[in-house]
Parts: sequence; structure tokens; C-alpha cells
Amino acid sequence: GQQLNQSPQSMFIQEGEDVSMNCTSSSIFNTWLWYKQEPGEGPVLLIALYKAGELTSNGRLTAQFGITRKDSFLNISASIPSDVGIYFCAGLAGKLIFGQGTTLQVKP
Amino acid sequence: DAGITQSPRYKITETGRQVTLMCHQTWSHSYMFWYRQDLGHGLRLIYYSAAADITDKGEVPDGYVVSRSKTENFPLTLESATRSQTSVYFCASSDGIGQGQYFGPGTRLTVT
Repeated sequence: GQQLNQSPQSMFIQEGEDVSMNCTSSSIFNTWLWYKQEPGEGPVLLIALYKAGELTSNGRLTAQFGITRKDSFLNISASIPSDVGIYFCAGLAGKLIFGQGTTLQVKP
Repeated sequence: DAGITQSPRYKITETGRQVTLMCHQTWSHSYMFWYRQDLGHGLRLIYYSAAADITDKGEVPDGYVVSRSKTENFPLTLESATRSQTSVYFCASSDGIGQGQYFGPGTRLTVT
């Protein structure tokens, strides 16, 4: 079946640093979504990408829909402590498939 | 308050019992979804619904039943709970299958 490989699995960074994470697949997706989940909460939609090559920003977050439609990237600039959480990518091709998540910890 | 709500937030039940998890959304989204989240497996789709009275299986539907008589509600029933169904269950909704999904706060279910 379709699978998404999300990396890295976890990151521990210093406040102020930039963060990059990505999702790759052997399958083509029509839509890429990025979510953030905080402890005890449901995932919250951060960015949605609908076209290959699309680059979209949401504050300090920037995500890109890969040209091949098989990957997507999320960057967080100038991280702050409240960025901590688990970030999930999700690809849509009929149904939504989630990556395993990247756990981000930010040291003040 | 508008949005998507789930109840109960926490539930402990015994093996073999029937339990129903409730999901309610106020956006009039046509699509609703049920996921379970387990360590090592991420989020896995159990069932989804494109509209009232239309439901379809996801990746892990065995042991679960859904119904959707009204657009705003999408209950998930475990007919005979098993320990392997101990998990956190999330309901989500969206305007269309290609649109971003909005998640509820989750129900933590423990089957003893």
C-alpha cells in the first residue's frame, strides 16, 4: 500500500534555529498537508498544498509540494519553545495517508 | 462553540463490551473520518463518510461499526471491545476529500 517516509523522526534544537523536515513516497499524491499535534490534542492543520511546485507560507512555516509529487518539505524559521510538538505530513490520493511524525523539541 | 467535538474524552471498558465514541461537527462538512493513533503506527484511518448514509472502510475497519444518519454526527462503535483496540481515537471532518481535515480533541480508550 501507499506509505510515507517522514524524516527525521525527532529533532532537539536550540531556540532560534531553523528546522527542516520532509516526507517522501514512492507514490504520487494530489495534495500534501502538514499538521502539528501537541500533547493531549488532535492534529491541527498548518499548511495545505495543492499543486506540484507550490510553495506556501504560514508565518514562520514554509512548505513545498515537490515537483515529482512524491515529496514535500516543511521548514520552520527561528524556532521558539511553543513550536514543540509532533509534526505530521499527509498525502492525499483518494484517501489521506499520514507519515509517522517528526517530534520537535526546542531548548530555550 | 463551533468546531468538532468528541465524547467521551476518556473511557475505560472491559473486553467484550460494546462502546460507542461520539463525534459532532458544526461546520456542515460533508466528509467525516475516524482514525486511531498508536505508537509506532501514526494515524490510521478506520472509516470515513462522504455524506449522510454513505460510509466506507479505511485501512483498519475490522471490529468497528459506523453510522451517519445526520451530517453533523458520526459515531464509532466497537461491538465487542478487545485489548488491541486500546488507543487514542480521533474524529475529523472536511469540506471535500481533497481538502484539509480538521481534527477533534480525541478520545483515549482503554480496554482492560
